Amino acid sequence: DTAVSQTPKYLVTQMGNDKSIKCEQNLGHDTMYWYKQDSKKFLKIMFSYNNKELIINETVPNRFSPKSPDKAHLNLHINSLELGDSAVYFCASSQGTVEGETQYFGPGTRLLVL
Amino acid sequence: KNEVEQSPQNLTAQEGEFITINCSYSVGISALHWLQQHPGGGIVSLFMLSSGKKKHGRLIATINIQEKHSSLHITASHPRDSAVYICAVSEYGNKLVFGAGTILRVKS
Repeated sequence: DTAVSQTPKYLVTQMGNDKSIKCEQNLGHDTMYWYKQDSKKFLKIMFSYNNKELIINETVPNRFSPKSPDKAHLNLHINSLELGDSAVYFCASSQGTVEGETQYFGPGTRLLVL
Repeated sequence: KNEVEQSPQNLTAQEGEFITINCSYSVGISALHWLQQHPGGGIVSLFMLSSGKKKHGRLIATINIQEKHSSLHITASHPRDSAVYICAVSEYGNKLVFGAGTILRVKS
């Protein structure tokens, strides 16, 4: 069974559209994260949630809104997509928020905005 | 300047060579991670270090907290080791701050 899954795997869309990426983990973890990997392959934290509560919100445009319906799911909604949003988005999870806890990554969602 | 610096950016080695990738960080941390990103894009955690040294198979990771430096070594490298190796430090809330990665290619 896949530990951290993301859907869709690929997403091609037009500028200005609104889209969502879903993430689910079956590890029983309390904490989930969204990371963005840009065209230079550099990874950066966007958000993290612990037990459905927002813990980390880096300087991400308001067009990005995470939603955690339960602690096994963390979805990412993106409004008014821009060309610069093209990237690979990785979801991850860890048991808690203690520094150093191992994070388990999803396979990534490759978003291309045309 | 990034909080986490890796070197080299690119590394090509012959099969069997001993490989070292270095990571320096500028912030006080309690944990450092080494991650591997496969050519297909998936990311897996290799090590979490808070002190000393860890070994797993042909991979060895060391950290010197005083010098704010860590190294990842690969012994008897193999073409299947070709991947991007990423150093990351854990900060508040266990968020990871990443280095830019080292692209390793091992030729047979």
